[in-house]
Amino acid sequence: EIVLTQSPGTLSLSPGETATLSCRASQSVGSNYLAWYQQKPGQAPRLLISIASTRATGIPDRFSGSGSGTDFTLTINRLEPEDFAMYYCQQYSSSGSTFGQGTKLEIK
Amino acid sequence: EVQLVESGGGLVQPGGSLRLSCGASGFIFSYYSMNWVRQAPGKGLEWISSINSKSSAIYYADSVRGRLTISRDNAQNSHFLQMHNLRDEDTAVYYCARPSLTFGGVSPFDSWGPGTLVTVSS
Repeated sequence: EIVLTQSPGTLSLSPGETATLSCRASQSVGSNYLAWYQQKPGQAPRLLISIASTRATGIPDRFSGSGSGTDFTLTINRLEPEDFAMYYCQQYSSSGSTFGQGTKLEIK
Repeated sequence: EVQLVESGGGLVQPGGSLRLSCGASGFIFSYYSMNWVRQAPGKGLEWISSINSKSSAIYYADSVRGRLTISRDNAQNSHFLQMHNLRDEDTAVYYCARPSLTFGGVSPFDSWGPGTLVTVSS
């Protein structure tokens, strides 16, 4: 099972700043099948990024993903008030999936 | 519009059983594998099970294998999670989730239900 470790646990920033979230895998993620989700309190997760760097439909270009192998990054430029939420990375395969423990992006 | 709606959650005693359902609409259900993901109160997301479009490939997380059974009924556009021998640590919101690609395509989950809460407590 691939274990995903996200850092930092909490990130405190102000609107307009840039957020950089990290996701490190315990072993190489096949075909870079790495996704990022945003989750707000009381809501289901929303898919942001797939295959490490492909934005999902309707996701603003302020959100970008990068990385390969075991190290992946979600970057959010020009933070908007609605961006403050929990973020999870996920590795997915034909035989299952695992999630990271999450990063909380909070308003400073 | 893709819609997923979970049902069947509630309060159950430790050691008890519960069956969750996920009803789907707005897409050709039989073309997609389906998944269950849970989230304990104040905790992160945990993938627990998936079933492919023909029910010929089923997978479980180690934490639930042997106690949970996933199934589906394509004629009813529904899939299910039968849970046995429930423990306190199974208390969570249970989400059904659909991948973005059909059939065997490997993809993350672009559609989620609102979730149903399962509480295991005496």
